[in-house]
Amino acid sequence: NAGVMQNPRHLVRRRGQEARLRCSPMKGHSHVYWYRQLPEEGLKFMVYLQKENIIDESGMPKERFSAEFPKEGPSILRIQQVVRGDSAAYFCASAPSLVSNEQFFGPGTRLTVL
Amino acid sequence: ELKVEQNPLFLSMQEGKNYTIYCNYSTTSDRLYWYRQDPGKSLESLFVLLSNGAVKQEGRLMASLDTKARLSTLHITAAVHDLSATYFCAVDIHTRGGSNYKLTFGKGTLLTVNP
Repeated sequence: NAGVMQNPRHLVRRRGQEARLRCSPMKGHSHVYWYRQLPEEGLKFMVYLQKENIIDESGMPKERFSAEFPKEGPSILRIQQVVRGDSAAYFCASAPSLVSNEQFFGPGTRLTVL
Repeated sequence: ELKVEQNPLFLSMQEGKNYTIYCNYSTTSDRLYWYRQDPGKSLESLFVLLSNGAVKQEGRLMASLDTKARLSTLHITAAVHDLSATYFCAVDIHTRGGSNYKLTFGKGTLLTVNP
């Protein structure tokens, strides 16, 4: 059973470009969470999605950031017009249900904005 | 707003010594998690603590939870170099419908074990 998969693992963008980060949850998991980790910091919750629904996006910046989890395919975190402050590691986690004890984390995408 | 504080944030210790990392949180929670992160890597789940008084042990690491004091500890016994990593505690909170998700993380404790 493959774990949570994220790609790309490393992404370099210039200021003003778009970044698309992908997350495929573990098989059988329908709950996806995105977190951001700034250097020397803990992870900060961004958004929680189920298939075709955004449940909680209270941690997402109001502008330029969006997330989706379509019926088919991976979850996508999209950052438009990236700025240097967006440089961080973005982790996706998945869980099989709402009351599961545990979220399983992917390897992360490290975004560098030049 | 839930706050999770870890201390110390940096810990340098010698092999063979014992030490404890503390995790305090500011509001009622049912679940506390400990994760390990190696540089440039993802988070590895170490322990899930679900109730007051819970104690779990794996190798040289032991975690405990006191929900009344809103405190969890991660105790390291006879440290070895391989334990060098950053350790995070995380807490989730009840939200609407009684469901838990939205982990709130501490800032992490960078542990360096010197030979």
